[in-house]
Amino acid sequence: GESVGLHLPTLSVQEGDNSIINCAYSNSASDYFIWYKQESGKGPQFIIDIRSNMDKRQGQRVTVLLNKTVKHLSLQIAATQPGDSAVYFCAEKGAAGNKLTFGGGTRVLVKP
Amino acid sequence: EAGVTQFPSHSVIEKGQTVTLRCDPISGHDNLYWYRRVMGKEIKFLLHFVKESKQDESGMPNNRFLAERTGGTYSTLKVQPAELEDSGVYFCASSERDYYNEQFFGPGTRLTVL
Repeated sequence: GESVGLHLPTLSVQEGDNSIINCAYSNSASDYFIWYKQESGKGPQFIIDIRSNMDKRQGQRVTVLLNKTVKHLSLQIAATQPGDSAVYFCAEKGAAGNKLTFGGGTRVLVKP
Repeated sequence: EAGVTQFPSHSVIEKGQTVTLRCDPISGHDNLYWYRRVMGKEIKFLLHFVKESKQDESGMPNNRFLAERTGGTYSTLKVQPAELEDSGVYFCASSERDYYNEQFFGPGTRLTVL
């Protein structure tokens, strides 16, 4: 896949367990944060977002937490499934217009 | 509804040659973005169109890269002449006008420069 050669931190998780993926951002002016999932051979796919006036947002099986004090973002996946195996990226917006600034990514491997 | 499409899916060229990548955004999306991920690095922004106008091209690495969006529909990204360090995956994304609208990504074009 296109991530060959890209050294990513990897989270191995047992199927059915919960996963937590962390992301640190650097720009305190960022006001909008998004988590993307990328499967092999595909582009990043939106999972969930959160605005800076919130500290928690829940979706279906996913929760995003935002701690602006320490500039930290996390994605929690409940009851991780084999289909959750992918690379996950956090992205931020707001420091300079509409462009997204991506984090380095975390690979999630779900063990059956 | 069709998503963002990109062509080609994979391109292999020699150093010094020219390559043109194409992106067709979701119909009706005024915003179109180009990003890329070169080997070992994170996804980086290249530029942003609003309709046919370049809103932000701060991420374009040098003048070997030229992006166009004539008529405000599809966009092309030309690399001329290509260098080895241009190898990577080039993504296109599109969104509606609102700041909080989701950016929908295409599958990417993998560019290999030999």
